[in-house]
Amino acid sequence: SQKIEQNSEALNIQEGKTATLTCNYTNYSPAYLQWYRQDPGRGPVFLLLIRENEKEKRKERLKVTFDTTLKQSLFHITASQPADSATYLCALDGRGYSTLTFGKGTMLLVSP
Amino acid sequence: DAGVIQSPRHEVTEMGQEVTLRCKPISGHNSLFWYRQTMMRGLELLIYFNNNVPIDDSGMPEDRFSAKMPNASFSTLKIQPSEPRDSAVYFCASSQDRGGSYEQYFGPGTRLTVT
Repeated sequence: SQKIEQNSEALNIQEGKTATLTCNYTNYSPAYLQWYRQDPGRGPVFLLLIRENEKEKRKERLKVTFDTTLKQSLFHITASQPADSATYLCALDGRGYSTLTFGKGTMLLVSP
Repeated sequence: DAGVIQSPRHEVTEMGQEVTLRCKPISGHNSLFWYRQTMMRGLELLIYFNNNVPIDDSGMPEDRFSAKMPNASFSTLKIQPSEPRDSAVYFCASSQDRGGSYEQYFGPGTRLTVT
């Protein structure tokens, strides 16, 4: 069966360190993978999109990698700040015009 | 643009009552999605529309759920009759088009509590 797995345990790190979140999937061949941020009581907010033929994508302090062989995406936040504390969701698609399927998300807590 | 607008933000109702959730997508977006989020199951797609036409409703849990999109600027999700297990946060999202290459813009959600 199809699965998207994100670490259900919260990731606690100190301010200034690099946070690395993992998204693993099985029985998918996504053409695109997206990452979203969700704060308590709010809807998810889009952060980054990476295509299957891209190994890495960067946006300011954010970096996403996409390894279709390992069936894994890593999401990095460098020089993390307490304001980065939130739940981060990965989402991937099938082929053609299929919609996104979301992982359950990983909560990141950045302490000062 | 004001973003995706949802109403009400909170809804508390008794089992057996009808519940109607409303959504106004971002102007110019032609795809609209309804999701349900719970701690146990995460964010689940219920149904999505493209150009006001329902494309995939396989995520709708049962016949008690129905959704409509009478025009490009309005959609409703109705639950009749409601049950306690329907308690969740319901999100509406829109995107320029369908497919994984388009990011989705989410509304603030409706927190539904069925007692």
